[in-house]
Amino acid sequence: DIQMTQSPSTLSASVGDRVTITCRASQSISSWLAWYQQKPGKAPKLLIYKASSLESGVPSRFSGSGSGTEFTLTISSLQPDDFATYYCQQYNSPWTFGQGTKVEIK
Amino acid sequence: QVQLVQSGAEVKKPGASVKVSCKVSGYTLTELSMHWVRQAPGKGLEWMGGFDPEDGETIYAQKFQGRVTMTEDTSTDTAYMELSSLRSEDTAVYYCATPGDTPAFDYWGQGTLVTVSS
Repeated sequence: DIQMTQSPSTLSASVGDRVTITCRASQSISSWLAWYQQKPGKAPKLLIYKASSLESGVPSRFSGSGSGTEFTLTISSLQPDDFATYYCQQYNSPWTFGQGTKVEIK
Repeated sequence: QVQLVQSGAEVKKPGASVKVSCKVSGYTLTELSMHWVRQAPGKGLEWMGGFDPEDGETIYAQKFQGRVTMTEDTSTDTAYMELSSLRSEDTAVYYCATPGDTPAFDYWGQGTLVTVSS
């Protein structure tokens, strides 16, 4: 199975900061990568699919890039609502998630 | 718009089985590819299995093979996930999720907490 490794595990940042999270796949997944945001007690929310396509309704400060084995999620200017945990997911069967990156207030 | 509504919380003893349901509205179940994801307390998301439209069959994560069964009742548009031989490590929130307009998981149920305790 394809392993997904996110870094960092935790990230401390301030409102207005530019934030980047990295996700690496153990083998090439082309662009079959999604990013999710999860807040405590809630189901995950899709942000990005196909590595760089923004889900409808998601603010444009979120962007994704990469292909093959290395991917990034960037938040251009961190807002108070963005403090959450972020997961990458590859959706080549069988599906797998990264271990998550918690974005916390500095 | 797809809505997924899951059954309520469950408390089970070790060795028992649990069956969680996921009722679909807005679409029919046959139009969707349902998956199940779990999250242990304080831990990350773990894909358990789901329908692979490329193969036309349900596949399970290796970790759960032999212990999990995912079924569908198309007459009621309800998906089910049954996990057997429960142990304390199976205590988690279980989510159903499905692609919609994108190939990723656009839609999620609200989650069902399953607690395994003697």
